[in-house]
Order: sequence, then structure tokens, then C-alpha cells
Amino acid sequence: DTEVTQTPKHLVMGMTNKKSLKCEQHMGHRAMYWYKQKAKKPPELMFVYSYEKLSINESVPSRFSPECPNSSLLNLHLHALQPEDSALYLCASSQGGQGAFNTQYFGPGTRLTVL
Amino acid sequence: GQQLNQSPQSMFIQEGEDVSMNCTSSSIFNTWLWYKQDPGEGPVLLIALYKAGELTSNGRLTAQFGITRKDSFLNISASIPSDVGIYFCAGQLRAPTGGTSYGKLTFGQGTILTVHP
Repeated sequence: DTEVTQTPKHLVMGMTNKKSLKCEQHMGHRAMYWYKQKAKKPPELMFVYSYEKLSINESVPSRFSPECPNSSLLNLHLHALQPEDSALYLCASSQGGQGAFNTQYFGPGTRLTVL
Repeated sequence: GQQLNQSPQSMFIQEGEDVSMNCTSSSIFNTWLWYKQDPGEGPVLLIALYKAGELTSNGRLTAQFGITRKDSFLNISASIPSDVGIYFCAGQLRAPTGGTSYGKLTFGQGTILTVHP
């Protein structure tokens, strides 16, 4: 089973709203990732959590706030977003370790539209 | 930082034709991955390559990890309409030592595949 789930599938929000994206995996993976993807472009890494600790923040604006409540869950809290933040937000997970253990499996994504 | 050159950028083929795409890098990777993405969905892993020179098949798909560790190709044989999508290569270095345990992917720009019935 290599399933990563994400909710919601679609989200429309205003620039003053606060919302959260949720990602879940039950594969026992210890590394989880958030990516942002614009149409027909490759995913861009935002954050990496390893063993529930934030390991990488790719200079992401503070209006994006990640949270890893436990080893199966990853949240992305959104506040005061801009229209240019509209994109497909992808979550991924990997087992943790070297070689094959770091192969990343992606969720279906959340399509975010900021009005 | 590292960059991957993926080619071609797009392909328009007839159903039944074979397809070939490749990625090259200016520096080495320890792992090469090939993903396919349908519109509005997340990337799905097609083939993972972990060893230089490795040749791996998954149904009609075949991929190779170049011997120099700086390139990889993906072939699709006898294409069908459901092969339509964007194909991304991704290279990954060995995870850092010292207690961390995650991978950081470098993606190619993608190959958009269109298959005409």
C-alpha cells in the first residue's frame, strides 16, 4: 500500500481567510513533504518533516505554516494568502533512510484557488 | 543548484507508437525516479532506479539509470490513449548523514505526451 491521502480536493479562499490542508499516510513513513505545483511545471519543494521535526523550509513565506502533529499526519495552515499562491499543493511521504527507503510517494493534491 | 534537462518537452504520437524520453544532469545522482501525472492529480511513481547501469521494466515501460549516474531514459512501447499525461524525471542524492532521514528531489521540466487514437 503506497497511499497518501489529502483533503480537501479543492479549496477556494479569500485573501483574509484562514484554512488548512491535511495530509495523511498509514505506511509508517517517517519523512513527509509539502510541494507547490503550478500548471505544467514540476513540483517545488516547500517543507520537509523528518521524524516529526521540520528539517527543510525552502524559504517559504510565513503565510504558509506547516505542522506535523504525529508521524501519520501533516498539515499546512494558510493565512492571508495572495492570488499568486493559487496552485496544486502536493503532499508526499517516504520511509526514511537511504536509497529505496527515500522513494517519495505523492498524494492526489489539493487544488487551491485564492480570490 | 543541480538542474535536470528533460527532453523532449512535448510529444504528439499515434496510438501504437513507441515513445522515448530522457533526462541529463550536470552532476551525479544516487537515485533516478520517473513519475507520471494526470491533470489535476498527483504524480504517480512509474519506475525507481537505484543503481548505475540498472535497467528496469514495468509492463510496457522500461527505464535505465545511466552508467555515468548523470542521465536516465524512459521508453514506452506500443502507446495507448491512457498514456497521455506529463512525465517527470527526478534525481535524488543520498540522504544527509547525522540523524536526518529524507530525500530531496530535483525534477526535470516534464514531457507532455499526447496520444492520438
